[in-house]
Amino acid sequence: GESVGLHLPTLSVQEGDNSIINCAYSNSASDYFIWYKQESGKGPQFIIDIRSNMDKRQGQRVTVLLNKTVKHLSLQIAATQPGDSAVYFCAEADTGGFKTIFGAGTRLFVKA
Amino acid sequence: DTAVSQTPKYLVTQMGNDKSIKCEQNLGHDTMYWYKQDSKKFLKIMFSYNNKELIINETVPNRFSPKSPDKAHLNLHINSLELGDSAVYFCASSQLRGAGNTIYFGEGSWLTVV
Repeated sequence: GESVGLHLPTLSVQEGDNSIINCAYSNSASDYFIWYKQESGKGPQFIIDIRSNMDKRQGQRVTVLLNKTVKHLSLQIAATQPGDSAVYFCAEADTGGFKTIFGAGTRLFVKA
Repeated sequence: DTAVSQTPKYLVTQMGNDKSIKCEQNLGHDTMYWYKQDSKKFLKIMFSYNNKELIINETVPNRFSPKSPDKAHLNLHINSLELGDSAVYFCASSQLRGAGNTIYFGEGSWLTVV
């Protein structure tokens, strides 16, 4: 069945280091992938997305990598800051559909 | 201005009661959703409406009844509340387009059933 999962439920990094959060998906029909950030007490917020015809996309301090061969998605955060501490979700969807499936989430702790 | 707003933010109620959560979005989006987040942070879609029409119903018990009076509002009514209904409920909206579907979430409604 459809599933989006994460390899690591928690990740602790030192401030200033780079963070990598991984995600595996199983639905080959998905052609749109998104990363969301959820801070404590708030709703998830869009960070960055990527379409299946790309393998890399960069934003401000964040990069998403997509490997369709092994159905793997990752989020890289450069120079991690305390404000990056949150739960991060990967999500998959098809561009024409109404259904976005979220992975289990990874909690990122940034140590000062 | 809050893009997706939902009320109440916190709700504590007894088993068996009926409660509603209201949601409004001012983004002009055609599609609205309800998601449920459990204690382990897992986010699961419950319902999706597009232009007031139900598109997705993810095998949610029929004690949960969404209502969309117009495309800017999607309310959630829950009958005969059970302990297992305790969770955070997120309303969300999006505007489907060819390039993808970014979902905008509200701040969540914390429901505790005692």
